[in-house]
Amino acid sequence: TQLLEQSPQFLSIQEGENLTVYCNSSSVFSSLQWYRQEPGEGPVLLVTVVTGGEVKKLKRLTFQFGDARKDSSLHITAAQPGDTGLYLCAGHRNNQGGKLIFGQGTELSVKP
Amino acid sequence: GAGVSQSPSNKVTEKGKDVELRCDPISGHTALYWYRQSLGQGLEFLIYFQGNSAPDKSGLPSDRFSAERTGGSVSTLTIQRTQQEDSAVYLCASSLGPGQETQYFGPGTRLLVL
Repeated sequence: TQLLEQSPQFLSIQEGENLTVYCNSSSVFSSLQWYRQEPGEGPVLLVTVVTGGEVKKLKRLTFQFGDARKDSSLHITAAQPGDTGLYLCAGHRNNQGGKLIFGQGTELSVKP
Repeated sequence: GAGVSQSPSNKVTEKGKDVELRCDPISGHTALYWYRQSLGQGLEFLIYFQGNSAPDKSGLPSDRFSAERTGGSVSTLTIQRTQQEDSAVYLCASSLGPGQETQYFGPGTRLLVL
C-alpha cells in the first residue's frame, strides 16, 4: 500500500485552465514537500510546508498543508505549457531521519 | 557550484550481471540518499548515509543491493545478479545535514536489464 496517495496520476488540460493535485495519507507527516521533475532530470524542490493549515504561494502555484498534517494540495492557476512536467509530493516522518516518502506523482500536460 | 552528479547516465546490462552506480554529492553535504524510480512513478527510498553514522538500509529491496560511501563523499550503489525488475532510474540526492534539510537530486542513472 502507498503511504502517500497522490491524485490524479495523469492530467491533460488546456492553457489557462486551473487544476488541483492532491496528496493524502492516513499518517501524520512532520513536513510535506512538492517537487517538479522534467524528463531526464532529478526532482527539483518547489516548496516545503511544515505547519498544519499552512498555505504557501509561489507565483501561480498555491500549496496547502492540511490541519492534521496528513494531506496536502497543489493548485495551479491559469496553467501554462511551461508548467508541463511530473509533480511529486513527498513527506518526512518523525524519527526517520531525512528519508523522504514519495507519492506516485502527477503527470501534467498543458496544451497551448 | 557543481550539483550532484551521477555516472553512468545510462547502463544496459544482461540479466545476472553485476552493476555499479556512482554518485558524487555536493561538496560539504553530509547526508546522501539513494532512491529508485520506475517509469513515470514516484521515488522509492533505498538507503541513507549521514556522516559517520551507520547507514539506514531499510529501503533496500533485497540482499542483492548494497551501497557504500567512502570518505564521507562519493557513494557507490551495487546491484548483484541483476534481474529485469531492477530496471529503473536510480537517483542520488545529498543535503547539508540530517533531518529535513533540502535534498538536491542528481540526474539519475537509467538502468535497463535485458
